[in-house]
Amino acid sequence: EPEVTQTPSHQVTQMGQEVILRCVPISNHLYFYWYRQILGQKVEFLVSFYNNEISEKSEIFDDQFSVERPDGSNFTLKIRSTKLEDSAMYFCASSGNTLYQETQYFGPGTRLLVL
Amino acid sequence: KQEVTQIPAALSVPEGENLVLNCSFTDSAIYNLQWFRQDPGKGLTSLLLIQSSQREQTSGRLNASLDKSSGRSTLYIAASQPGDSATYLCAVKNYGQNFVFGPGTRLSVLP
Repeated sequence: EPEVTQTPSHQVTQMGQEVILRCVPISNHLYFYWYRQILGQKVEFLVSFYNNEISEKSEIFDDQFSVERPDGSNFTLKIRSTKLEDSAMYFCASSGNTLYQETQYFGPGTRLLVL
Repeated sequence: KQEVTQIPAALSVPEGENLVLNCSFTDSAIYNLQWFRQDPGKGLTSLLLIQSSQREQTSGRLNASLDKSSGRSTLYIAASQPGDSATYLCAVKNYGQNFVFGPGTRLSVLP
């Protein structure tokens, strides 16, 4: 069964450093998403992406964040200058043909720790 | 702004029991509602997706209902098993708003 994969599974970085989180969505999916979950808190929407551009973004997704689909298979989330409060689990998801209409499939997540 | 709550926060039941998890949302003009399962330290697995025009969805031992007018959804799990132990999340999508998750119900099914 196809699945969403994410790398790395864990990342530790120093405050102020740039990080890139990588995701490989399900191959025939058209819509891609990033979410985060701070330890012990709710899952929070960050951004959705379709046709090589951002469809929606939340208040969390400020200028420090960017997304890209560099090669037709990977979907990346970049945090330019990490802050302590960026420490969280980051989930990538993808869905099929219609934004939010179909089931979103989640990856296993990348646990980011900012020191 | 949509707010999603889930009751109870945690639930412990003996194996074989039928149970109901509750999700409430403040803005009833929803696009769809999804129930997810999250295992500790893992990603989310979608269980059921209910469109705004639907009243319920079923998958195996799971049944999810939706009452938009009262801002509620329930997830019914029949004949619970220890493997059902996980955190169950509901998430709501409104027109023109982002996907909003509830805090989850942590379920433990005891053998």
